[in-house]
Amino acid sequence: EVQLVESGGGLVQPGRSLKLSCAASGFTFSNYYMAWVRQAPKKGLEWVATISTSGSRTYYPDSVKGRFTISRDNAKSSLYLQMNSLKSEDTATYYCARRTGYFDFWGPGTMVTVSS
Amino acid sequence: DVVLTQTPVSLSVTLGDQASISCRSSQSLEYSDGYTYLEWYLQKPGQSPQLLIYEVSNRFSGVPDRFIGSGSGTDFTLKISRVEPEDLGVYYCFQATHDPLTFGSGTKLEIK
Repeated sequence: EVQLVESGGGLVQPGRSLKLSCAASGFTFSNYYMAWVRQAPKKGLEWVATISTSGSRTYYPDSVKGRFTISRDNAKSSLYLQMNSLKSEDTATYYCARRTGYFDFWGPGTMVTVSS
Repeated sequence: DVVLTQTPVSLSVTLGDQASISCRSSQSLEYSDGYTYLEWYLQKPGQSPQLLIYEVSNRFSGVPDRFIGSGSGTDFTLKISRVEPEDLGVYYCFQATHDPLTFGSGTKLEIK
């Protein structure tokens, strides 16, 4: 059974950093692109980042480019999101998702609150 | 950026009736390879989003055939025939043809 479980969320002050993790199981992690998608409270979904199977290619929207870094450790079947220079508008639930030409599996999400 | 406009914003449907959601794109979503990367997701209350449809009209594994995706170019539709109680939630269209990838703003389906 495919499982994705995010961790690392919490309350952080504006301008600080936070690193999210996503533990994958039930499939050969290294064979799949992976992504992060977020959802601000009571708002819609926003794509945040995608990473290729090897990690050599990464993609971001302008809203996080230069501040967020997606990475992976295939040996540990883990996905990461390093978030720097956090802003209040980064407050959201962050979902880890498998990208197979579509987002076919999603984790339950981890909440990040950016506030002083 | 590609803007996906979903209508209606909310929809109240009687059980057993049909529901229809429109997703209009600010640019054609046909990619140079001939495929159209338009997907539909449902987020049930308190849950993570789940994939319903990919490449306009392909149902994901386990998705009932009551869910039908159609369209081309810039106009796309998700039809749900014979709405059931488990269909309530927020429906999102999503495009992966153009960078950055973008979601529609969502359509909330309620049961009358």
